[in-house]
Order: sequence, then C-alpha cells, then structure tokens
Amino acid sequence: DAKTTQPNSMESNEEEPVHLPCNHSTISGTDYIHWYRQLPSQGPEYVIHGLTSNVNNRMASLAIAEDRKSSTLILHRATLRDAAVYYCILRDGNSGGSNYKLTFGKGTLLTVNP
Amino acid sequence: DTAVSQTPKYLVTQMGNDKSIKCEQNLGHDTMYWYKQDSKKFLKIMFSYNNKELIINETVPNRFSPKSPDKAHLNLHINSLELGDSAVYFCASSQVYEQFFGPGTRLTVL
Repeated sequence: DAKTTQPNSMESNEEEPVHLPCNHSTISGTDYIHWYRQLPSQGPEYVIHGLTSNVNNRMASLAIAEDRKSSTLILHRATLRDAAVYYCILRDGNSGGSNYKLTFGKGTLLTVNP
Repeated sequence: DTAVSQTPKYLVTQMGNDKSIKCEQNLGHDTMYWYKQDSKKFLKIMFSYNNKELIINETVPNRFSPKSPDKAHLNLHINSLELGDSAVYFCASSQVYEQFFGPGTRLTVL
C-alpha cells in the first residue's frame, strides 16, 4: 500500500480556512486520494476523494498537485464541529468495485479554537 | 435512520470468554468490513465480505470468526478473549467511492 505523510497536529481558529497537507510521493497512476475524518468517539466518515483534478463538495475541497505527489484538504470556514482526526488515504483504483481496504495512517489531529 | 448500526456499544468481559458483536447496514451495499482501532488509535482492517463471501482476511487470529448471514449483516465472533483484544471495533459498508462506518463497539477484556 502506498504511504501517506501528514502532520501530527494542526490548529485553526473558528471561521478561518484550514489547509491540511498530505504527501504521497510513491502514489501510483491508479491510486485515488481519499480523505476521511474521525470525530471524537465516532466512526470515521468520508470527506472527499479525487484522482487528478481538484474536487469540491459540500464539506471541503481537495487540491491535488500536478505531479500528484501531494494534496491538500481545504476546509473553507472551520467550525468547532470540524475538530477531528483527518486521514489522507490512497486507494488502489484497480481494486474490485466496492470491495477495497482503506489503510489508515496516524492522520492529523485538527484543533479548532473558538 | 441509522445507516450502519452495531450492537452492543460497550462490551466488558473476562479473559477466556467468547463474545459476539453484531452489525447491520440498511444501505443496500454488497460489501461490509470489520476494522479494529487499538489504544494507540491505529485503525486497521480485519475482514471484508462481498455478498456474504469472505474477500479480505488480514492475518487476524483464527479466534476471530466473521459471519455474514445475509448481505445486510456481518457479525464478529471472538473466542477465548485476550487482554490484547481490547479495542474499538468498527463495522463498515461500502459503495465504490465511500465507506460508511458504524459508531463502534468498545470491547474491554479484564
């Protein structure tokens, strides 16, 4: 499984944008970049994913470097509810359909200050 | 409407006992998983099932036996519980681009 590297922790202020970086220098051409987050005492939840182009959804934006060796998850206006551990995960696009494993690293613990 | 549910939420038991954790999803997904999150918060896949068939088995001790009576349910039975089995166990189901996780079952072995 291709590895990702994330900062252990980051801090942000409420209502400010947050940029969470992820390095994945050994990414292969078929690997998708997925982001999940885990709120305290809850299961992980999907945030966003992408392959080559930048992506936006209601939760966040994903900016992918042109060489795909790094990506950044962008929360446009952090709220207290966004305090969580954020995981950047590479998923093999060749794995079969809906059956694939997610390999979680340590993630980034995001603290949001009021 | 709970998408992925697990019971029980908490489970405290003695070493050597046998216990089961149940999982149900109402999303109509074909694939379900069990993950384990240990005390250091590392989250690791244990098993995956697709349409009641075991697909992924990540070198988990054979004391752990998943069972899928139908594609909406994936239960985890653990024999001869050990102290090291203490962890939070998450069930999940998936469509192509997203896995949906349950709330977790915190297992404490005394």
